[in-house]
Amino acid sequence: QKEVEQNSGPLSVPEGAIASLNCTYSDRGSQSFFWYRQYSGKSPELIMFIYSNGDKEDGRFTAQLNKASQYVSLLIRDSQPSDSATYLCAVRDNQGGKLIFGQGTELSVKP
Amino acid sequence: GAVVSQHPSWVICKSGTSVKIECRSLDFQATTMFWYRQFPKQSLMLMATSNEGSKATYEQGVEKDKFLINHASLTLSTLTVTSAHPEDSSFYICSARWGGSQYFGPGTRLLVL
Repeated sequence: QKEVEQNSGPLSVPEGAIASLNCTYSDRGSQSFFWYRQYSGKSPELIMFIYSNGDKEDGRFTAQLNKASQYVSLLIRDSQPSDSATYLCAVRDNQGGKLIFGQGTELSVKP
Repeated sequence: GAVVSQHPSWVICKSGTSVKIECRSLDFQATTMFWYRQFPKQSLMLMATSNEGSKATYEQGVEKDKFLINHASLTLSTLTVTSAHPEDSSFYICSARWGGSQYFGPGTRLLVL
């Protein structure tokens, strides 16, 4: 059973701080990794994808991938109350191509 | 780019009726679309993978005769919930693959009375 694990939270950070969201996966052969943001009552929205080891930056967001440790993370710099949402980590299944989602981490940014 | 739409956004129906939900890729062609269901406070549950021109692949435990999926064109997939019951009330979300990533529609909230 291929699994993606996330701490469900809630993770609470003050406005302006760095929020760090973590994800581990079980399939060592996984190649594609995604972070989605889901506001309450809405559908998921793609924030970032990462395929290579290391860091990938896009504005206030940085995705980090360590395939040796089977670990992917998302950093949100200068967190804003509008970043309060559930963040879903997803890993593409190499065999079927479908995304395997973690349970999601609820982030709360306090003003 | 990569915009996915769904219709309707919400639907209320009586128990025993059938409901059709449409999923469209607006600015790209999608050979593969996915249908998810999400209950309150729970994560996404993949129901089936829809491939244009062929039969859908259903996840274990999902009744293919109850949740009919048709992907007749490269921009449209439909999910029909047949003989809906209150336990089918949920948030149904489609997504489509484009450029190596997967993009979600806005979802359809179904309430079966």
